[in-house]
Amino acid sequence: AQTVTQSQPEMSVQEAETVTLSCTYDTSESDYYLFWYKQPPSRQMILVIRQEAYKQQNATENRFSVNFQKAAKSFSLKISDSQLGDAAMYFCAYRSFSQGGSEKLVFGKGTKLTVNP
Amino acid sequence: EPEVTQTPSHQVTQMGQEVILRCVPISNHLYFYWYRQILGQKVEFLVSFYNNEISEKSEIFDDQFSVERPDGSNFTLKIRSTKLEDSAMYFCASTRVRTEAFFGQGTRLTVV
Repeated sequence: AQTVTQSQPEMSVQEAETVTLSCTYDTSESDYYLFWYKQPPSRQMILVIRQEAYKQQNATENRFSVNFQKAAKSFSLKISDSQLGDAAMYFCAYRSFSQGGSEKLVFGKGTKLTVNP
Repeated sequence: EPEVTQTPSHQVTQMGQEVILRCVPISNHLYFYWYRQILGQKVEFLVSFYNNEISEKSEIFDDQFSVERPDGSNFTLKIRSTKLEDSAMYFCASTRVRTEAFFGQGTRLTVV
């Protein structure tokens, strides 16, 4: 079964600085997607960024980028120029797209990010 | 921008009562899901639904739970006899094939 591990329960960053959140995963599949979701205090789950496993290029979305290391099964999220509104729980998630594979998202336990003014 | 809508946002129910959580997925999506998040814990998969039937369910999704898509737009989760441990945030999500899941804002269920 696939597992997702986020080893940092909490992180903090100064406003305007850069922070990296770590995520590792375990799978024997070759066809999958990885995601970072943000959960602010409202508790809604908001997609931040996604990465297709078959793509070598790391995904970027404005101030958010990932470092996807497929061989190492690592998928970290970098937030540049951190803003107060970035403060939230961040969840790393895995989804299989293998033939006959599970459709569900498997989530890590989350990292609580605090942004200090 | 299309979004997944869940109602109610918060429901309080007595232990042993039945509850129905409602969701309106994005209209051209094909796969529908329910997840739950107990306070302070990670998000857990409950069930996926495709082509009018359950395609996958977790061990959490026992006989007390059921899902339905009664009219082609709504997607409901029913808990027949609620327990204290069912208190959680319940998220509905939908997706097209090979895209990211879009989540609703959640329903906070409190069982007293």
